[in-house]
Amino acid sequence: TQLLEQSPQFLSIQEGENLTVYCNSSSVFSSLQWYRQEPGEGPVLLVTVVTGGEVKKLKRLTFQFGDARKDSSLHITAAQTGDTGLYLCAGEPRAGSYQLTFGKGTKLSVIP
Amino acid sequence: EAGVAQSPRYKIIEKRQSVAFWCNPISGHATLYWYQQILGQGPKLLIQFQNNGVVDDSQLPKDRFSAERLKGVDSTLKIQPAKLEDSAVYLCASSLRGTYNEQFFGPGTRLTVL
Repeated sequence: TQLLEQSPQFLSIQEGENLTVYCNSSSVFSSLQWYRQEPGEGPVLLVTVVTGGEVKKLKRLTFQFGDARKDSSLHITAAQTGDTGLYLCAGEPRAGSYQLTFGKGTKLSVIP
Repeated sequence: EAGVAQSPRYKIIEKRQSVAFWCNPISGHATLYWYQQILGQGPKLLIQFQNNGVVDDSQLPKDRFSAERLKGVDSTLKIQPAKLEDSAVYLCASSLRGTYNEQFFGPGTRLTVL
């Protein structure tokens, strides 16, 4: 079973600060996704990264896929209270499997 | 475009009782997933359907859990009998094959087993 470890587990920061959360594995994934989940709702896809070394930006969020496709990071610039939520990374172990292995998530709280 | 619908949103039962959850995926999505999300953890795949056929149910506790997707559209997940450790959020997701496995999730059903 391919596992994804996310760190930190919890993060509480002030509005306007920058932060980075990490998603690591000893296994290679064909693609990796980041989701955000708010209380009482299902996860919502933020981004999919496919190529090793790939960097994608979504407004103030920057996602990076490691060169070896075993790890990923999410960097948020100037966090806002609306960024509060559970950030989940999920990897597809084999291309075409249409399955995802999820990490346990990083619970982010942005304090005004 | 309507999202993934799930019902009920909340359910409280006593151990050894039965419970069923319903999911209606996004129209045209051939792949449907049921996940279990225990508090403080990420979603864990229980079963994956492609149309009305099961692709993977290796993590479904088949002695008490069952799922079906008749006609390849909506799906039901049943637990009989429930145990205390089944308390979790049950998420349904669907995806359109041909994409990078982008999954669309419903709001989930929060099950509490007393």
